[in-house]
Amino acid sequence: KAGVTQTPRYLIKTRGQQVTLSCSPISGHRSVSWYQQTPGQGLQFLFEYFSETQRNKGNFPGRFSGRQFSNSRSEMNVSTLELGDSALYLCASSFSSTDTEAFFGQGTRLTVV
Amino acid sequence: AQSVAQPEDQVNVAEGNPLTVKCTYSVSGNPYLFWYVQYPNRGLQFLLKYITGDNLVKGSYGFEAEFNKSQTSFHLKKPSALVSDSALYFCAVRAAYSSASKIIFGSGTRLSIRP
Repeated sequence: KAGVTQTPRYLIKTRGQQVTLSCSPISGHRSVSWYQQTPGQGLQFLFEYFSETQRNKGNFPGRFSGRQFSNSRSEMNVSTLELGDSALYLCASSFSSTDTEAFFGQGTRLTVV
Repeated sequence: AQSVAQPEDQVNVAEGNPLTVKCTYSVSGNPYLFWYVQYPNRGLQFLLKYITGDNLVKGSYGFEAEFNKSQTSFHLKKPSALVSDSALYFCAVRAAYSSASKIIFGSGTRLSIRP
């Protein structure tokens, strides 16, 4: 079965703009988590959604938001982009929020100029 | 609080030699432990996990890891390295039965296998 799909793979945006990233989990998976990966900070948890509800949120400013749809697909939005938002954004899905392992997508590489 | 330490930023090994990538952890209660691998501009790929049971866990591509509760370690090993094993490796931990999103990743170790 298909893995976790993230679109787009690459994005270039200008400071001040906003961006929306998409994640389609593995079929049947209902939990979706988002992570930001940067060389300096490593992998940092952004938020988790399960059955359209945000279950957990990491320590990121309110410019970062997300949502989950009834088909479990998730989007994350970053408003008023800053240079420091340049990162690889990874989405992971699991069957439930307590499932033992999560499966990651290829990521979306966001570059803010 | 949970934490994971990967003490080596880089590990260099000759092809055919055994490799070890180190990981120590701290978690309240029993741990779930994971190893992921990341190739350039790609997502994280699951290698193996320890949930319970046998301390020696076998995973994908010939990798294995040993859970050592007394030393709170979960080192990744492979008996004979391949050039294609060159990648970034992440150790991760979360408390048993906690939410998948509570997983904490180490800083990563870059494994370089020379021909």
